[in-house]
Amino acid sequence: QKEVEQDPGPLSVPEGAIVSLNCTYSNSAFQYFMWYRQYSRKGPELLMYTYSSGNKEDGRFTAQVDKSSKYISLFIRDSQPSDSATYLCAYGGSQGNLIFGKGTKLSVKP
Amino acid sequence: NAGVTQTPKFQVLKTGQSMTLQCAQDMNHNSMYWYRQDPGMGLRLIYYSASEGTTDKGEVPNGYNVSRLNKREFSLRLESAAPSQTSVYFCASSGGQLNQPQHFGDGTRLSIL
Repeated sequence: QKEVEQDPGPLSVPEGAIVSLNCTYSNSAFQYFMWYRQYSRKGPELLMYTYSSGNKEDGRFTAQVDKSSKYISLFIRDSQPSDSATYLCAYGGSQGNLIFGKGTKLSVKP
Repeated sequence: NAGVTQTPKFQVLKTGQSMTLQCAQDMNHNSMYWYRQDPGMGLRLIYYSASEGTTDKGEVPNGYNVSRLNKREFSLRLESAAPSQTSVYFCASSGGQLNQPQHFGDGTRLSIL
């Protein structure tokens, strides 16, 4: 079983839609949860960071963590064409390096 | 605010040539990392340096060497480039422990013919 599973997409939505991006993981030791956004020909940039179960909101973005189900989500409200990018989930345990998902490619159509 | 700076941005090599990719960060971070990113493979860790003076192998270290020159700089060297090393290479840094958020440069696109 892979440590992190993330649907690669691509996901295409109309402008203004609510987007849901998801990752599942298998390692119970993961304590830190992150979402990165990567525009074409750019490096990943940190979007959201949390270490507890529940929701964390930042503007149009909400990160949701369910440790009991080993499931994290990123919701984007009122999606914009500028949100078109690849979104990567990432996890950190008590030791060792971050583990990254392979990314979901999102396209928001005007 | 430069953050993590990688040079060069693009490079084409012939098989067997050598090359050093440079990375510098200005955030006073302790830890630095080198990744490669290939289609369908995601980010794969090549080497990392938890602190100045230490380096460790990641998931795919074969064919690469690294040098942590000082706290700011971490270089990646290909001694004898192979077509399988054609990829986009990202350098990242983080403060504190290895499991903390990392900050990435914009990558070096390397093509080996």
